[in-house]
Amino acid sequence: GNSVTQMEGPVTLSEEAFLTINCTYTATGYPSLFWYVQYPGEGLQLLLKATKADDKGSNKGFEATYRKETTSFHLEKGSVQVSDSAVYFCALSSSGGSYIPTFGRGTSLIVHP
Amino acid sequence: DGGITQSPKYLFRKEGQNVTLSCEQNLNHDAMYWYRQDPGQGLRLIYYSQIVNDFQKGDIAEGYSVSREKKESFPLTVTSAQKNPTAFYLCASSILGQGVNTEAFFGQGTRLTVV
Repeated sequence: GNSVTQMEGPVTLSEEAFLTINCTYTATGYPSLFWYVQYPGEGLQLLLKATKADDKGSNKGFEATYRKETTSFHLEKGSVQVSDSAVYFCALSSSGGSYIPTFGRGTSLIVHP
Repeated sequence: DGGITQSPKYLFRKEGQNVTLSCEQNLNHDAMYWYRQDPGQGLRLIYYSQIVNDFQKGDIAEGYSVSREKKESFPLTVTSAQKNPTAFYLCASSILGQGVNTEAFFGQGTRLTVV
Protein backbone atom coordinates (compact mmCIF):
# COMPACT_ATOMS: atom_id res chain seq x y z
CA GLY A 1 0.00 0.00 0.00
CA ASN A 2 0.86 3.66 -0.09
CA SER A 3 2.96 5.22 2.63
CA VAL A 4 4.83 8.45 3.35
CA THR A 5 7.85 8.84 5.61
CA GLN A 6 9.05 12.25 6.70
CA MET A 7 11.74 13.35 9.08
CA GLU A 8 10.80 13.65 12.70
CA GLY A 9 10.77 16.98 14.40
CA PRO A 10 10.81 19.37 15.86
CA VAL A 11 13.11 21.22 13.52
CA THR A 12 14.38 24.34 15.24
CA LEU A 13 15.99 27.10 13.19
CA SER A 14 16.96 30.73 13.49
CA GLU A 15 15.31 33.27 11.24
CA GLU A 16 16.85 33.40 7.74
CA ALA A 17 18.28 29.89 8.00
CA PHE A 18 17.92 27.31 5.23
CA LEU A 19 15.20 24.70 5.67
CA THR A 20 15.02 21.13 4.43
CA ILE A 21 12.35 18.65 5.50
CA ASN A 22 12.87 15.21 4.00
CA CYS A 23 10.02 13.15 2.59
CA THR A 24 10.11 9.75 0.88
CA TYR A 25 7.22 7.70 -0.33
CA THR A 26 6.06 4.26 -1.41
CA ALA A 27 3.18 4.11 -3.84
CA THR A 28 1.53 1.97 -6.46
CA GLY A 29 0.58 3.69 -9.67
CA TYR A 30 1.79 7.20 -10.46
CA PRO A 31 1.26 9.34 -7.37
CA SER A 32 0.63 13.03 -7.10
CA LEU A 33 2.68 14.56 -4.28
CA PHE A 34 1.75 17.35 -1.89
CA TRP A 35 3.02 19.41 1.00
CA TYR A 36 0.47 20.79 3.45
CA VAL A 37 0.95 23.22 6.34
CA GLN A 38 -1.00 23.31 9.60
CA TYR A 39 -1.03 26.25 11.99
CA PRO A 40 -2.05 25.67 15.63
CA GLY A 41 -5.72 24.81 16.09
CA GLU A 42 -6.46 24.87 12.36
CA GLY A 43 -6.98 22.46 9.48
CA LEU A 44 -4.38 21.70 6.84
CA GLN A 45 -3.75 24.02 3.89
CA LEU A 46 -2.12 23.03 0.64
CA LEU A 47 1.36 24.55 0.37
CA LEU A 48 2.52 23.10 -2.95
CA LYS A 49 2.11 20.11 -5.22
CA ALA A 50 3.67 18.16 -8.10
CA THR A 51 1.88 15.67 -10.29
CA LYS A 52 4.61 14.02 -12.35
CA ALA A 53 8.28 13.15 -12.20
CA ASP A 54 10.74 16.09 -12.25
CA ASP A 55 7.96 18.62 -11.62
CA LYS A 56 8.84 21.33 -9.12
CA GLY A 57 6.11 22.71 -6.91
CA SER A 58 6.65 26.14 -5.37
CA ASN A 59 4.76 28.62 -3.22
CA LYS A 60 5.67 31.39 -0.75
CA GLY A 61 9.40 30.67 -1.14
CA PHE A 62 8.99 26.94 -0.49
CA GLU A 63 9.98 24.42 -3.16
CA ALA A 64 9.90 20.66 -3.64
CA THR A 65 10.90 18.52 -6.64
CA TYR A 66 9.24 15.21 -7.52
CA ARG A 67 12.12 12.72 -7.74
CA LYS A 68 10.86 9.40 -9.04
CA GLU A 69 14.29 7.73 -9.02
CA THR A 70 14.70 8.32 -5.29
CA THR A 71 10.97 8.35 -4.47
CA SER A 72 11.43 11.65 -2.66
CA PHE A 73 9.75 15.05 -2.39
CA HIS A 74 11.87 17.09 0.00
CA LEU A 75 10.64 20.51 1.09
CA GLU A 76 13.11 23.42 1.02
CA LYS A 77 13.14 27.13 1.74
CA GLY A 78 16.13 29.37 1.43
CA SER A 79 15.37 31.76 4.29
CA VAL A 80 12.76 30.93 6.91
CA GLN A 81 10.76 33.47 8.89
CA VAL A 82 9.19 33.27 12.32
CA SER A 83 5.80 33.17 10.61
CA ASP A 84 6.78 29.84 8.95
CA SER A 85 6.55 28.11 12.33
CA ALA A 86 3.95 25.38 11.83
CA VAL A 87 3.58 21.65 11.23
CA TYR A 88 4.33 20.44 7.70
CA PHE A 89 2.83 17.29 6.21
CA CYS A 90 4.00 15.43 3.12
CA ALA A 91 1.22 13.52 1.32
CA LEU A 92 0.39 11.58 -1.80
CA SER A 93 -2.56 10.20 -3.69
CA SER A 94 -2.55 7.60 -6.44
CA SER A 95 -4.81 5.28 -8.36
CA GLY A 96 -3.24 2.33 -6.55
CA GLY A 97 -4.52 3.74 -3.29
CA SER A 98 -7.99 4.59 -4.62
CA TYR A 99 -6.91 8.25 -4.60
CA ILE A 100 -7.23 8.40 -0.82
CA PRO A 101 -4.81 11.04 0.51
CA THR A 102 -2.03 9.39 2.53
CA PHE A 103 -0.08 11.57 4.95
CA GLY A 104 3.24 11.44 6.71
CA ARG A 105 3.36 12.02 10.46
CA GLY A 106 4.12 15.71 10.15
CA THR A 107 7.22 17.72 11.02
CA SER A 108 7.02 20.60 13.45
CA LEU A 109 9.08 23.65 12.47
CA ILE A 110 10.01 26.24 15.08
CA VAL A 111 11.73 29.41 13.89
CA HIS A 112 13.34 31.72 16.45
CA PRO A 113 13.94 35.43 15.85
CA ASP B 1 -16.55 31.24 -1.61
CA GLY B 2 -16.26 27.51 -1.96
CA GLY B 3 -14.99 25.58 0.96
CA ILE B 4 -15.49 22.95 3.60
CA THR B 5 -17.10 23.73 6.95
CA GLN B 6 -16.88 21.74 10.14
CA SER B 7 -18.94 22.37 13.24
CA PRO B 8 -18.73 22.78 16.10
CA LYS B 9 -15.16 23.92 16.63
CA TYR B 10 -15.15 22.57 20.20
CA LEU B 11 -17.27 19.71 21.53
CA PHE B 12 -17.47 18.12 24.95
CA ARG B 13 -18.78 14.60 25.44
CA LYS B 14 -19.81 12.85 28.60
CA GLU B 15 -18.92 9.22 29.15
CA GLY B 16 -21.35 6.90 27.35
CA GLN B 17 -22.73 9.61 25.09
CA ASN B 18 -22.85 9.65 21.29
CA VAL B 19 -21.93 12.89 19.54
CA THR B 20 -22.10 13.93 15.89
CA LEU B 21 -19.59 16.14 14.10
CA SER B 22 -20.82 18.02 11.07
CA CYS B 23 -18.96 18.41 7.76
CA GLU B 24 -20.36 20.27 4.76
CA GLN B 25 -18.67 21.17 1.46
CA ASN B 26 -19.78 23.29 -1.48
CA LEU B 27 -16.89 22.37 -3.76
CA ASN B 28 -18.86 19.72 -5.65
CA HIS B 29 -16.28 17.11 -4.65
CA ASP B 30 -17.17 13.45 -4.95
CA ALA B 31 -14.82 12.24 -2.22
CA MET B 32 -14.97 13.10 1.47
CA TYR B 33 -12.81 11.89 4.34
CA TRP B 34 -12.60 11.92 8.12
CA TYR B 35 -9.23 11.91 9.85
CA ARG B 36 -8.31 11.81 13.50
CA GLN B 37 -5.23 13.71 14.68
CA ASP B 38 -3.46 12.95 17.94
CA PRO B 39 -0.21 14.58 19.04
CA GLY B 40 2.78 12.97 17.33
CA GLN B 41 0.66 10.55 15.30
CA GLY B 42 -0.14 12.48 12.17
CA LEU B 43 -3.49 11.94 10.48
CA ARG B 44 -5.25 8.60 10.70
CA LEU B 45 -8.13 7.78 8.34
CA ILE B 46 -11.44 6.93 10.01
CA TYR B 47 -13.90 6.67 7.11
CA TYR B 48 -14.12 7.83 3.53
CA SER B 49 -16.80 8.14 0.88
CA GLN B 50 -16.35 8.47 -2.86
CA ILE B 51 -20.00 8.49 -3.87
CA VAL B 52 -23.33 9.30 -2.30
CA ASN B 53 -24.85 6.48 -0.22
CA ASP B 54 -21.56 4.61 -0.07
CA PHE B 55 -18.68 4.78 2.40
CA GLN B 56 -15.74 2.65 3.45
CA LYS B 57 -13.88 2.03 6.68
CA GLY B 58 -10.44 3.50 7.08
CA ASP B 59 -7.67 2.40 9.41
CA ILE B 60 -9.39 3.22 12.72
CA ALA B 61 -13.16 2.93 12.10
CA GLU B 62 -14.06 1.12 15.33
CA GLY B 63 -16.34 3.20 17.53
CA TYR B 64 -17.29 5.59 14.72
CA SER B 65 -20.09 5.74 12.16
CA VAL B 66 -20.84 7.94 9.15
CA SER B 67 -23.51 8.59 6.55
CA ARG B 68 -23.44 10.12 3.06
CA GLU B 69 -27.03 10.91 2.12
CA LYS B 70 -26.06 14.04 0.19
CA LYS B 71 -22.98 14.86 -1.84
CA GLU B 72 -22.36 17.96 0.27
CA SER B 73 -22.55 16.36 3.70
CA PHE B 74 -20.56 13.69 5.54
CA PRO B 75 -21.33 13.69 9.29
CA LEU B 76 -19.29 11.61 11.72
CA THR B 77 -20.79 10.09 14.86
CA VAL B 78 -18.47 9.21 17.70
CA THR B 79 -20.23 6.46 19.60
CA SER B 80 -19.91 5.34 23.19
CA ALA B 81 -17.97 2.34 21.86
CA GLN B 82 -15.01 4.62 21.08
CA LYS B 83 -12.98 4.30 24.24
CA ASN B 84 -10.58 7.16 23.73
CA PRO B 85 -12.37 9.80 21.65
CA THR B 86 -10.49 12.88 22.84
CA ALA B 87 -8.74 14.15 19.71
CA PHE B 88 -8.78 16.70 16.90
CA TYR B 89 -11.04 15.60 14.03
CA LEU B 90 -10.50 16.80 10.49
CA CYS B 91 -12.85 16.49 7.54
CA ALA B 92 -11.54 16.79 4.00
CA SER B 93 -12.80 16.55 0.45
CA SER B 94 -11.26 16.14 -2.99
CA ILE B 95 -12.02 15.35 -6.59
CA LEU B 96 -11.19 11.84 -7.70
CA GLY B 97 -8.61 11.09 -10.35
CA GLN B 98 -5.07 11.62 -11.47
CA GLY B 99 -3.03 14.76 -11.81
CA VAL B 100 -3.68 18.40 -11.16
CA ASN B 101 -6.29 19.75 -8.75
CA THR B 102 -6.54 16.49 -6.82
CA GLU B 103 -5.41 17.99 -3.54
CA ALA B 104 -7.50 17.61 -0.42
CA PHE B 105 -9.34 20.59 1.04
CA PHE B 106 -9.71 20.60 4.81
CA GLY B 107 -12.14 22.07 7.28
CA GLN B 108 -10.97 23.93 10.37
CA GLY B 109 -11.36 20.86 12.57
CA THR B 110 -13.39 19.92 15.64
CA ARG B 111 -11.68 19.38 18.96
CA LEU B 112 -13.56 16.75 20.94
CA THR B 113 -12.95 16.35 24.65
CA VAL B 114 -14.42 13.74 26.97
CA VAL B 115 -15.47 15.20 30.32
